[in-house]
Amino acid sequence: GQSLEQPSEVTAVEGAIVQINCTYQTSGFYGLSWYQQHDGGAPTFLSYNALDGLEETGRFSSFLSRSDSYGYLLLQELQMKDSASYFCTYNTNAGKSTFGDGTTLTVKP
Amino acid sequence: GAGVSQSPSNKVTEKGKDVELRCDPISGHTALYWYRQSLGQGLEFLIYFQGNSAPDKSGLPSDRFSAERTGGSVSTLTIQRTQQEDSAVYLCASSLDLGTIYFGEGSWLTVV
Repeated sequence: GQSLEQPSEVTAVEGAIVQINCTYQTSGFYGLSWYQQHDGGAPTFLSYNALDGLEETGRFSSFLSRSDSYGYLLLQELQMKDSASYFCTYNTNAGKSTFGDGTTLTVKP
Repeated sequence: GAGVSQSPSNKVTEKGKDVELRCDPISGHTALYWYRQSLGQGLEFLIYFQGNSAPDKSGLPSDRFSAERTGGSVSTLTIQRTQQEDSAVYLCASSLDLGTIYFGEGSWLTVV
């Protein structure tokens, strides 16, 4: 079948590093994306991995291992404004994107 | 406009009434999605349109839900005989490639 698994909640302190893991199961896998959603807002795109390895965008990095059906989002130098929900999603070669249930990140002072 | 536009932004309707939610995707985007999100929950896939292909309707929760996309652009999600459990925010998104999806601000539906 098709599925995504990620932790439901993560808590960290300001300035720390946090890693949100995601495992997936699907046929026709094409790539893994990450989205951020603040309360009351729409999800916004953070990063995308189609190939194995690490993609870095400022304080955020995302990693993919296709052989392990696994990826993660790494957030460095955490700030209070990073408190939000983070969704991993996979794209299939049919173009459709499927979202996980999201991880709620709480950043504490 | 520059982004995905949805209307209405808020809708309160009586149980049993029909509602229509509109989505205007980013110009040129071939893919269009509808998702539903209840308070504090994840995104529930509803339907996916890609170009001229038959839509993927596998996420529609019941036959009260339908969607169409006219001319490969604007889409309308229709919910017939609304129920209280239909209360949620309905998010539309569009994309051009396989990596990035752009979301609208959502239509917040409350069924009373």
